[in-house]
Amino acid sequence: GAGVSQSPRYKVAKRGQDVALRCDPISGHVSLFWYQQALGQGPEFLTYFQNEAQLDKSGLPSDRFFAERPEGSVSTLKIQRTQQEDSAVYLCASSHSLAGVANEQFFGPGTRLTVL
Amino acid sequence: GENVEQHPSTLSVQEGDSAVIKCTYSDSASNYFPWYKQELGKRPQLIIDIRSNVGEKKDQRIAVTLNKTAKHFSLHITETQPEDSAVYFCAASYSGGSNYKLTFGKGTLLTVNP
Repeated sequence: GAGVSQSPRYKVAKRGQDVALRCDPISGHVSLFWYQQALGQGPEFLTYFQNEAQLDKSGLPSDRFFAERPEGSVSTLKIQRTQQEDSAVYLCASSHSLAGVANEQFFGPGTRLTVL
Repeated sequence: GENVEQHPSTLSVQEGDSAVIKCTYSDSASNYFPWYKQELGKRPQLIIDIRSNVGEKKDQRIAVTLNKTAKHFSLHITETQPEDSAVYFCAASYSGGSNYKLTFGKGTLLTVNP
């Protein structure tokens, strides 16, 4: 079956522009995560959804970052007034998490954001 | 919060040799420990994982060991092949609550020389 997909794969933005990154999780996966991966680093947690509920947004770097998953499937990560330090790969992951049991997170290919 | 340290940051081995990557974690409540392989420009892919009720798990040439007391876990790859060359990430998660976010190490760049 289809894996996690993300679009666009590459995005170049001028400093100050707003961007929107899309994630299509694996069908039926309850849990959806966003991570930020800087060059040469491991992914870092941004936010987590269980169905449409955003249960944890503690990793969002600032109030310029906003994420939503209104119907419990597709998710969008929006970054307002982009800055150069926002340049990174943004990874989306989904998981069929059972209550109280962590399961494999399936990652998308990522969106590489470059802010000039 | 959880902190995961990973060593070494780079590892170069000859084809056929073994490779070992080590990680430590800080939160004793963590109980799920996956390892991901990421090739250049590609998505991270799970290669093996272990839960805290198990001390060791093996899948063909790959094995993971966990020492809960010392809070460290290791990835062992035997009979390495050039296609094993990639960046490997360890991670930790607590699955007792409702948020299974992963905390990753900084990665190990493994190079297998033919």
